[in-house]
Amino acid sequence: DAGVIQSPRHEVTEMGQEVTLRCKPISGHNSLFWYRQTMMRGLELLIYFNNNVPIDDSGMPEDRFSAKMPNASFSTLKIQPSEPRDSAVYFCASSSWGAETQYFGPGTRLLVL
Amino acid sequence: SQQGEEDPQALSIQEGENATMNCSYKTSINNLQWYRQNSGRGLVHLILIRSNEREKHSGRLRVTLDTSKKSSSLLITASRAADTASYFCATDTGGGNKLTFGTGTQLKVEL
Repeated sequence: DAGVIQSPRHEVTEMGQEVTLRCKPISGHNSLFWYRQTMMRGLELLIYFNNNVPIDDSGMPEDRFSAKMPNASFSTLKIQPSEPRDSAVYFCASSSWGAETQYFGPGTRLLVL
Repeated sequence: SQQGEEDPQALSIQEGENATMNCSYKTSINNLQWYRQNSGRGLVHLILIRSNEREKHSGRLRVTLDTSKKSSSLLITASRAADTASYFCATDTGGGNKLTFGTGTQLKVEL
């Protein structure tokens, strides 16, 4: 199995630009999680989906952030417009519903100038 | 907000020594998990302990859980340079697979 796949691995953009991060979960997993990791705030859960439906988006920092899961094999996290404080590593993770462990992707390192 | 606080924040030991990391949390849990993160990589699940368990072993890993103190410890025995990584505890409070991660302990194992 290829594991959780994220793209791009690195993204450098200018303030105000739209950023789209992509995630392909492990085949057969029906829960998907988006996290953000920074030195200041650690690892924060932004949003998670079960069976493509958003369950809890209370961690999404503000309206500039949005996430979608149009099908079981693809999810996006969009930031529009981006700001320098959005600079972080964004992780996607997946798990089987009812299974307790999560499998993480390699992350996308985002730098907003 | 962080559910788990880990202690110490950083730990440096010699290869062959044991490493102990502690995690404290605030609310009742279904289970507590430990993950490892190598520099520049994603997190990897190590071990899970349920709320009705007190101790669990997996290879060189030993995890304890004290629900009365809301704390857990991870012991890595006979450490190796390859164990150098950050270690995070994560708590499952029963909210549908949702995990809350601690602040992490940076472990450095020197040759």
